[in-house]
Amino acid sequence: KNQVEQSPQSLIILEGKNCTLQCNYTVSPFSNLRWYKQDTGRGPVSLTIMTFSENTKSNGRYTATLDADTKQSSLHITASQLSDSASYICVVISQGNLIFGKGTKLSVKP
Amino acid sequence: EAGVTQFPSHSVIEKGQTVTLRCDPISGHDNLYWYRRVMGKEIKFLLHFVKESKQDESGMPNNRFLAERTGGTYSTLKVQPAELEDSGVYFCASSRREGEPQHFGDGTRLSIL
Repeated sequence: KNQVEQSPQSLIILEGKNCTLQCNYTVSPFSNLRWYKQDTGRGPVSLTIMTFSENTKSNGRYTATLDADTKQSSLHITASQLSDSASYICVVISQGNLIFGKGTKLSVKP
Repeated sequence: EAGVTQFPSHSVIEKGQTVTLRCDPISGHDNLYWYRRVMGKEIKFLLHFVKESKQDESGMPNNRFLAERTGGTYSTLKVQPAELEDSGVYFCASSRREGEPQHFGDGTRLSIL
C-alpha cells in the first residue's frame, strides 16, 4: 500500500532555531517528491520538488534531502522565523497521482 | 495571475441537505483536481478533470458525490445528501498540463451537523 509517513506530528521551536522534519514513504513507482507548506486556513504551497536523482535542493532557508534507496526525505529549516509556523506536508508523486503525508505542524515561538 | 479560487470558504449544513462547492482554476489550466482532508487524516485525491472530461474519479467516496466541469472552466462538487462523515476540507487544484505542479486553492471547510 502506498503510504507517506511524517514525523514528528508536531514541533515547537524558538525563533532563530533550526529544525528538521522527516518523511518516509513506501510508494511505487516513484516519480518525484514535494514538500508543501500549508498556512492555517490556506491551501498547500509547493516549497521544493525532488526527482529520483537529486539528493539535496535548497529554497532559501529551506533545504530538502532525498535518499531514494532508503525512501526517506527531510526538510531542514534554518534560522526559523515566526512566519514559518505552518503545517509541512510531504507529497510523493507516483504516475501523476499525489500521495500525501499527514503533515508536521510547526510552531515557531518568539 | 489569479490563483485557484474556491467558494464558499466555509459551509455548515445539516445532515441530509445538499451542498455545492465551486472551484475556479487558474485561467488556461486544463487539469483540475479535487481533494479532501477529513479530520486527523491526510489529504486524499477525489477526482481529476482534463478540460470537461473526467480523467480519473477513482477517489470519489460514493455516489452521493457528483463533480462537473461543464465547458471545461470552473468545476462544481455536489454532495447530496450530506452525511456526517463528509465533514472536512475540500481542496481544488489545477495545472496547465498533467504532471506539472498543481496549484491549490484555499479549500472549502465543510461541516455537517
